[in-house]
Amino acid sequence: EVQVVESGGGLVQPGGSLRLSCAASGFTFSNYWMGWVRQAPGKGLEWVADIKHDGSEKTYLDSVEGRFSISRDNAKSSLYLQMNSLRAEDTAVYYCARDYGRSYDPWGQGTRVIVSS
Amino acid sequence: EIVLTQSPATLSLSPGERATLSCRASQSVNSYLAWYQQKPGQAPRLLIYGASNRATGIPARFSGSGSGTDFTLTISSLEPEDFALYYCQQRNNWPITFGQGTRLDIK
Repeated sequence: EVQVVESGGGLVQPGGSLRLSCAASGFTFSNYWMGWVRQAPGKGLEWVADIKHDGSEKTYLDSVEGRFSISRDNAKSSLYLQMNSLRAEDTAVYYCARDYGRSYDPWGQGTRVIVSS
Repeated sequence: EIVLTQSPATLSLSPGERATLSCRASQSVNSYLAWYQQKPGQAPRLLIYGASNRATGIPARFSGSGSGTDFTLTISSLEPEDFALYYCQQRNNWPITFGQGTRLDIK
């Protein structure tokens, strides 16, 4: 079964850091672009970052550029999102997803990040 | 940034009826348009990619059409499990953007 599973969310104070992880299985991870998408409480979907299959290209939402860093370990079939200088507006469920035909499939169940003092 | 505008915001229909959801892009996205379904407390699920290709396991009552700036998701005959939120997404240009969603409610 093709699946991705996120972990690492939690409660963090403004200005703090958090590292999200995503474990992939059921497909050849090193062949695919991967991405992170978030959803603030009661809001729609917002793309955060993407990384090329070999890690050579990374793109970010403007509002997270310089604060967030996407990376991957193909040997471990894992995707990461290092989030620094967190703000209240970063509070959201963060989803990991595989790039599939310029869409996302599958999505993980999400990991919740709450930025609050 | 490409803005995707979905309409209507809410669509109220009965099981068995036909649903037509629209997604309009502020500039051409060619055919790099996807549709997702999201139910409360769940992750989004890919329905359609490349504007008109059904994802694996998606019932044939779901179909997508369009290219350029105007796209449509059609559900030919609504089943009870189809009442949910629907999002479109473009992958033609960075940043990747999503529409604001259409809520499909039971009438």
